[in-house]
Amino acid sequence: LAKTTQPISMDSYEGQEVNITCSHNNIATNDYITWYQQFPSQGPRFIIQGYKTKVTNEVASLFIPADRKSSTLSLPRVSLSDTAVYYCLVGPKAAGNKLTFGGGTRVLVKP
Amino acid sequence: DTAVSQTPKYLVTQMGNDKSIKCEQNLGHDTMYWYKQDSKKFLKIMFSYNNKELIINETVPNRFSPKSPDKAHLNLHINSLELGDSAVYFCASSQAGWGYTFGSGTRLTVV
Repeated sequence: LAKTTQPISMDSYEGQEVNITCSHNNIATNDYITWYQQFPSQGPRFIIQGYKTKVTNEVASLFIPADRKSSTLSLPRVSLSDTAVYYCLVGPKAAGNKLTFGGGTRVLVKP
Repeated sequence: DTAVSQTPKYLVTQMGNDKSIKCEQNLGHDTMYWYKQDSKKFLKIMFSYNNKELIINETVPNRFSPKSPDKAHLNLHINSLELGDSAVYFCASSQAGWGYTFGSGTRLTVV
């Protein structure tokens, strides 16, 4: 399974764009990149998933360069409620895949 | 209508006791999981069932025994509880490897 590396923490301010980069140098051909958000006392929540180039939904954008060895989650115009831990996961999209959640990135949005 | 529901939300028990955590999903997903989140917030997969069949069984003590009576339910039974079992346990489900949907967690405290 591809190991991921992401910053431990990031601070931002309301209204700013937050970009979190995840490194996954040994990503496999059939691996997808998925990001989750976790608030205190809650389970992780799926944000976005992609394989290559760019994926956008109503919550975030995911940028994946051609070599796929890294990816960047972009949160536009964050608010205080976006304060959470964000996890980057890499693995095949198959039933029973052993997705491993690392330490994640703690994002603190300040007023 | 909660998609993945776990009970109980909190569980405080003495060492040596046996306890169970129940999980139900109403999403029609074919795969369910149990994850353990430790104090450092790392989420580690414990078990996974696909259509009632055990497909992932990570290296956990055999005091932990999952049981899936049907596709919508996955319970976790823990025998002879130890202090080190204290953690938050999350149930999750997915369909064909797409994004997981997590429950809100069960905080287990062994005293």
